[in-house]
Amino acid sequence: EIVMTQSPATLSVSPGERATLSCRASQSVSSNLAWYQQKPGQAPRLLIYGASTRATGIPARFSGSGSGTEFTLTISSLQSEDFAVYYCQQYNNWPTFGQGTKVEIK
Amino acid sequence: QVQLVQSGAEVKKPGASVKVSCKASGYTFTSYGISWVRQAPGQGLEWMGWISAYNGNTNYAQKLQGRVTMTTDTSTSTAYMELRSLRSDDTAVYYCARLPIVGATWADYWGQGTLVTVSS
Repeated sequence: EIVMTQSPATLSVSPGERATLSCRASQSVSSNLAWYQQKPGQAPRLLIYGASTRATGIPARFSGSGSGTEFTLTISSLQSEDFAVYYCQQYNNWPTFGQGTKVEIK
Repeated sequence: QVQLVQSGAEVKKPGASVKVSCKASGYTFTSYGISWVRQAPGQGLEWMGWISAYNGNTNYAQKLQGRVTMTTDTSTSTAYMELRSLRSDDTAVYYCARLPIVGATWADYWGQGTLVTVSS
């Protein structure tokens, strides 16, 4: 099983600031990586697939990068609605998720 | 618009079975797959498996083999997930989600989730 490790566990950011979230795979997953956003009591929402392709309707302030074992999700200017938990998921082998990064208001 | 609407919360005793439904609308059901993902209280996400709504082919997580069955009813555009021999650690919110591309195992639209509580 490919283990996905996200860092940091919690990120405290002020509205309008940039947030950078990391995701590392225990072995190469090529570009087979997705990012999801989850708010309390809600289902996950797809943000990024193919490591860097924004899903339909996702604002341009969300961007993904990386390949192999190192990936980054960047939120260029945090809006109030962006405070949530973010998960990465690899789909190169049996799908596995990271443990999540909580983005909270500083 | 694409919608996946799941059945309501369930409370089951250990050893029982549960069957969760997921009714799809807003797209051609048989052109996509449906995956099931669960989330234990306060925990992360776990991929349980998926089913092709086109031909019914399934792929299950090894840890759930023998206890889980995923099916579809194309006449009603509904997917089902049955989990048997329930244990307390099966307590979780169960999500269905659409797989947007044949062979892809990432999900673009999700149901609202169904809480399954296993308790004696």
